[in-house]
Amino acid sequence: DIVMTQSPDSLAVSLGERATINCKSSQSVLYSSNNKNYLAWYQQKPGQPPKVLIYWASTRESGVPDRFSGSGSGTDFTLTISSLQAEDVAVYYCQQYYTTLPLTFGGGTKVEIK
Amino acid sequence: QVHLQESGPGLVKPSETLSLTCTVSGGSISTYYWSWIRQPPGKGLEWIGYVYDSGSTTYNPSLKSRVSISLGTSKNHFSLKLSSVTAADTAVYYCARAYGSGTYYFDFWGQGTLVTVSS
Repeated sequence: DIVMTQSPDSLAVSLGERATINCKSSQSVLYSSNNKNYLAWYQQKPGQPPKVLIYWASTRESGVPDRFSGSGSGTDFTLTISSLQAEDVAVYYCQQYYTTLPLTFGGGTKVEIK
Repeated sequence: QVHLQESGPGLVKPSETLSLTCTVSGGSISTYYWSWIRQPPGKGLEWIGYVYDSGSTTYNPSLKSRVSISLGTSKNHFSLKLSSVTAADTAVYYCARAYGSGTYYFDFWGQGTLVTVSS
Protein backbone atom coordinates (compact mmCIF):
# COMPACT_ATOMS: atom_id res chain seq x y z
CA ASP A 1 0.00 0.00 0.00
CA ILE A 2 1.04 3.61 -0.55
CA VAL A 3 0.85 5.18 2.92
CA MET A 4 -0.17 8.83 3.01
CA THR A 5 1.06 10.77 6.04
CA GLN A 6 -0.35 14.21 6.76
CA SER A 7 1.05 16.87 9.05
CA PRO A 8 0.16 18.48 11.30
CA ASP A 9 -2.79 16.59 12.75
CA SER A 10 -4.40 19.93 13.52
CA LEU A 11 -3.65 23.62 13.25
CA ALA A 12 -5.22 26.85 14.39
CA VAL A 13 -4.86 29.88 12.15
CA SER A 14 -6.13 33.43 12.51
CA LEU A 15 -8.71 34.66 10.04
CA GLY A 16 -7.01 36.06 6.97
CA GLU A 17 -3.75 34.23 7.66
CA ARG A 18 -2.18 31.40 5.67
CA ALA A 19 -2.77 27.72 6.48
CA THR A 20 -0.38 25.08 5.19
CA ILE A 21 -1.04 21.35 5.26
CA ASN A 22 1.52 18.75 4.27
CA CYS A 23 1.06 15.30 2.78
CA LYS A 24 3.84 12.78 2.24
CA SER A 25 3.45 9.53 0.31
CA SER A 26 5.50 6.41 1.07
CA GLN A 27 6.40 6.14 -2.62
CA SER A 28 6.28 8.51 -5.54
CA VAL A 29 2.85 9.20 -7.05
CA LEU A 30 4.39 10.92 -10.09
CA TYR A 31 3.71 8.95 -13.28
CA SER A 32 6.72 9.57 -15.51
CA SER A 33 4.97 8.91 -18.82
CA ASN A 34 2.64 11.90 -18.44
CA ASN A 35 4.45 13.87 -15.71
CA LYS A 36 1.30 13.96 -13.57
CA ASN A 37 1.09 13.55 -9.82
CA TYR A 38 -1.84 11.30 -8.89
CA LEU A 39 -2.80 13.24 -5.77
CA ALA A 40 -6.07 14.86 -4.71
CA TRP A 41 -7.11 17.03 -1.76
CA TYR A 42 -10.52 17.02 -0.08
CA GLN A 43 -12.31 19.22 2.44
CA GLN A 44 -14.75 17.66 4.89
CA LYS A 45 -16.99 19.79 7.07
CA PRO A 46 -18.83 18.27 10.07
CA GLY A 47 -21.73 16.06 9.06
CA GLN A 48 -20.90 16.34 5.37
CA PRO A 49 -19.16 14.10 2.85
CA PRO A 50 -15.71 15.08 1.58
CA LYS A 51 -15.55 17.56 -1.28
CA VAL A 52 -12.74 17.48 -3.81
CA LEU A 53 -10.71 20.70 -3.90
CA ILE A 54 -7.62 19.81 -5.92
CA TYR A 55 -6.64 16.97 -8.25
CA TRP A 56 -3.46 16.20 -10.21
CA ALA A 57 -1.81 17.78 -7.13
CA SER A 58 -2.42 21.36 -8.30
CA THR A 59 -5.57 21.58 -10.48
CA ARG A 60 -8.42 23.30 -8.70
CA GLU A 61 -11.85 21.74 -9.06
CA SER A 62 -14.43 23.97 -10.71
CA GLY A 63 -16.01 26.37 -8.20
CA VAL A 64 -13.27 26.06 -5.60
CA PRO A 65 -12.05 29.49 -4.41
CA ASP A 66 -8.60 30.47 -5.61
CA ARG A 67 -7.35 30.88 -2.04
CA PHE A 68 -6.93 27.09 -2.14
CA SER A 69 -3.82 25.89 -3.96
CA GLY A 70 -1.92 22.64 -4.22
CA SER A 71 1.76 22.13 -4.88
CA GLY A 72 4.47 19.50 -4.73
CA SER A 73 5.66 16.52 -6.71
CA GLY A 74 6.82 12.96 -6.23
CA THR A 75 6.31 12.22 -2.55
CA ASP A 76 5.82 15.64 -0.92
CA PHE A 77 2.74 17.78 -1.33
CA THR A 78 1.20 20.87 0.21
CA LEU A 79 -2.29 22.32 0.38
CA THR A 80 -2.26 26.04 1.08
CA ILE A 81 -5.17 28.23 2.09
CA SER A 82 -3.80 31.69 1.39
CA SER A 83 -6.23 33.69 3.54
CA LEU A 84 -8.26 31.59 5.94
CA GLN A 85 -12.00 32.27 6.04
CA ALA A 86 -14.44 31.11 8.70
CA GLU A 87 -16.07 28.71 6.23
CA ASP A 88 -12.74 26.91 5.73
CA VAL A 89 -12.93 25.28 9.16
CA ALA A 90 -12.88 21.60 8.25
CA VAL A 91 -10.79 18.47 8.10
CA TYR A 92 -8.61 18.17 5.00
CA TYR A 93 -7.51 14.88 3.45
CA CYS A 94 -5.06 13.98 0.74
CA GLN A 95 -5.60 10.89 -1.45
CA GLN A 96 -3.32 9.09 -3.88
CA TYR A 97 -4.74 7.50 -7.00
CA TYR A 98 -1.43 6.34 -8.47
CA THR A 99 -2.46 2.80 -7.63
CA THR A 100 -5.88 1.35 -6.94
CA LEU A 101 -4.48 -1.49 -4.89
CA PRO A 102 -5.62 0.16 -2.78
CA LEU A 103 -6.61 3.81 -3.14
CA THR A 104 -5.46 5.45 0.07
CA PHE A 105 -6.12 8.61 2.05
CA GLY A 106 -4.06 10.55 4.54
CA GLY A 107 -5.18 10.63 8.16
CA GLY A 108 -6.58 14.14 7.92
CA THR A 109 -5.66 17.60 9.20
CA LYS A 110 -8.15 19.60 11.24
CA VAL A 111 -8.11 23.34 10.57
CA GLU A 112 -9.55 25.67 13.20
CA ILE A 113 -9.70 29.40 13.82
CA LYS A 114 -7.21 30.81 16.33
CA GLN B 1 -25.94 17.55 -11.50
CA VAL B 2 -25.15 14.01 -10.40
CA HIS B 3 -26.77 12.97 -7.12
CA LEU B 4 -25.93 9.88 -5.11
CA GLN B 5 -28.01 8.50 -2.25
CA GLU B 6 -27.13 5.62 0.04
CA SER B 7 -29.83 3.41 1.55
CA GLY B 8 -29.95 0.35 3.76
CA PRO B 9 -30.22 -0.84 7.36
CA GLY B 10 -28.59 1.33 10.00
CA LEU B 11 -28.08 -1.58 12.39
CA VAL B 12 -26.49 -4.93 11.58
CA LYS B 13 -25.77 -7.79 13.99
CA PRO B 14 -22.24 -9.16 14.39
CA SER B 15 -21.37 -11.97 11.96
CA GLU B 16 -24.18 -10.95 9.59
CA THR B 17 -23.91 -9.27 6.16
CA LEU B 18 -24.10 -5.51 5.71
CA SER B 19 -26.00 -4.55 2.54
CA LEU B 20 -26.24 -1.04 1.13
CA THR B 21 -27.48 0.44 -2.13
CA CYS B 22 -26.44 3.66 -3.83
CA THR B 23 -28.94 5.24 -6.21
CA VAL B 24 -27.48 7.48 -8.91
CA SER B 25 -29.56 10.23 -10.49
CA GLY B 26 -28.90 13.17 -12.76
CA GLY B 27 -26.32 11.39 -14.87
CA SER B 28 -25.30 8.18 -16.55
CA ILE B 29 -23.67 5.36 -14.66
CA SER B 30 -21.70 4.55 -17.83
CA THR B 31 -17.96 5.22 -18.22
CA TYR B 32 -17.44 6.03 -14.55
CA TYR B 33 -16.11 4.09 -11.59
CA TRP B 34 -18.48 3.76 -8.65
CA SER B 35 -16.96 3.34 -5.22
CA TRP B 36 -17.79 2.66 -1.62
CA ILE B 37 -15.75 4.47 1.03
CA ARG B 38 -16.23 4.30 4.79
CA GLN B 39 -15.35 6.43 7.76
CA PRO B 40 -15.48 5.10 11.34
CA PRO B 41 -16.83 7.69 13.79
CA GLY B 42 -14.21 10.37 14.40
CA LYS B 43 -11.67 8.69 12.12
CA GLY B 44 -10.34 8.89 8.58
CA LEU B 45 -11.44 7.56 5.21
CA GLU B 46 -11.02 3.99 3.95
CA TRP B 47 -11.69 3.02 0.34
CA ILE B 48 -13.58 -0.25 0.07
CA GLY B 49 -13.72 -0.86 -3.68
CA TYR B 50 -15.30 0.11 -6.98
CA VAL B 51 -17.36 -1.24 -9.81
CA TYR B 52 -17.08 -0.10 -13.41
CA ASP B 53 -20.02 0.12 -15.80
CA SER B 54 -18.93 -3.20 -17.38
CA GLY B 55 -19.46 -4.82 -14.00
CA SER B 56 -15.75 -5.35 -13.35
CA THR B 57 -14.62 -4.70 -9.79
CA THR B 58 -11.53 -3.83 -7.76
CA TYR B 59 -11.45 -4.19 -3.99
CA ASN B 60 -9.24 -3.05 -1.14
CA PRO B 61 -7.08 -6.11 -0.40
CA SER B 62 -7.70 -5.63 3.32
CA LEU B 63 -11.43 -6.28 2.79
CA LYS B 64 -11.43 -8.36 -0.38
CA SER B 65 -12.41 -11.64 1.25
CA ARG B 66 -15.60 -10.10 2.67
CA VAL B 67 -16.67 -7.55 0.05
CA SER B 68 -18.84 -7.66 -3.03
CA ILE B 69 -19.82 -4.60 -5.10
CA SER B 70 -22.20 -4.95 -8.01
CA LEU B 71 -24.26 -2.91 -10.44
CA GLY B 72 -28.01 -3.03 -10.20
CA THR B 73 -30.12 -4.50 -12.99
CA SER B 74 -31.65 -1.14 -13.77
CA LYS B 75 -28.14 0.35 -14.06
CA ASN B 76 -28.99 3.43 -12.02
CA HIS B 77 -27.77 1.91 -8.78
CA PHE B 78 -24.99 -0.18 -7.35
CA SER B 79 -24.66 -2.16 -4.17
CA LEU B 80 -22.26 -3.15 -1.41
CA LYS B 81 -22.24 -6.36 0.56
CA LEU B 82 -19.83 -6.83 3.45
CA SER B 83 -19.99 -10.19 5.17
CA SER B 84 -19.09 -11.39 8.68
CA VAL B 85 -19.22 -7.89 10.15
CA THR B 86 -17.82 -6.96 13.54
CA ALA B 87 -17.92 -3.78 15.62
CA ALA B 88 -14.87 -2.60 13.65
CA ASP B 89 -17.12 -2.26 10.60
CA THR B 90 -19.21 0.42 12.31
CA ALA B 91 -18.83 3.50 10.13
CA VAL B 92 -20.46 6.05 7.91
CA TYR B 93 -20.57 4.45 4.47
CA TYR B 94 -20.33 6.73 1.45
CA CYS B 95 -20.87 5.97 -2.20
CA ALA B 96 -18.88 8.10 -4.62
CA ARG B 97 -18.02 8.52 -8.28
CA ALA B 98 -14.50 8.40 -9.63
CA TYR B 99 -14.01 10.32 -12.82
CA GLY B 100 -12.49 7.69 -15.10
CA SER B 101 -9.76 5.32 -16.01
CA GLY B 102 -6.53 6.39 -14.35
CA THR B 103 -8.30 9.27 -12.69
CA TYR B 104 -9.57 7.78 -9.47
CA TYR B 105 -10.35 10.83 -7.43
CA PHE B 106 -13.93 11.28 -6.25
CA ASP B 107 -15.90 14.18 -7.68
CA PHE B 108 -19.39 13.29 -6.43
CA TRP B 109 -20.33 11.77 -3.08
CA GLY B 110 -23.50 10.67 -1.36
CA GLN B 111 -24.36 12.14 2.03
CA GLY B 112 -23.37 8.92 3.75
CA THR B 113 -25.24 6.47 5.94
CA LEU B 114 -24.21 5.35 9.41
CA VAL B 115 -24.13 1.62 9.89
CA THR B 116 -23.73 0.34 13.42
CA VAL B 117 -22.73 -3.25 14.10
CA SER B 118 -24.21 -4.33 17.39
CA SER B 119 -26.30 -7.14 18.84
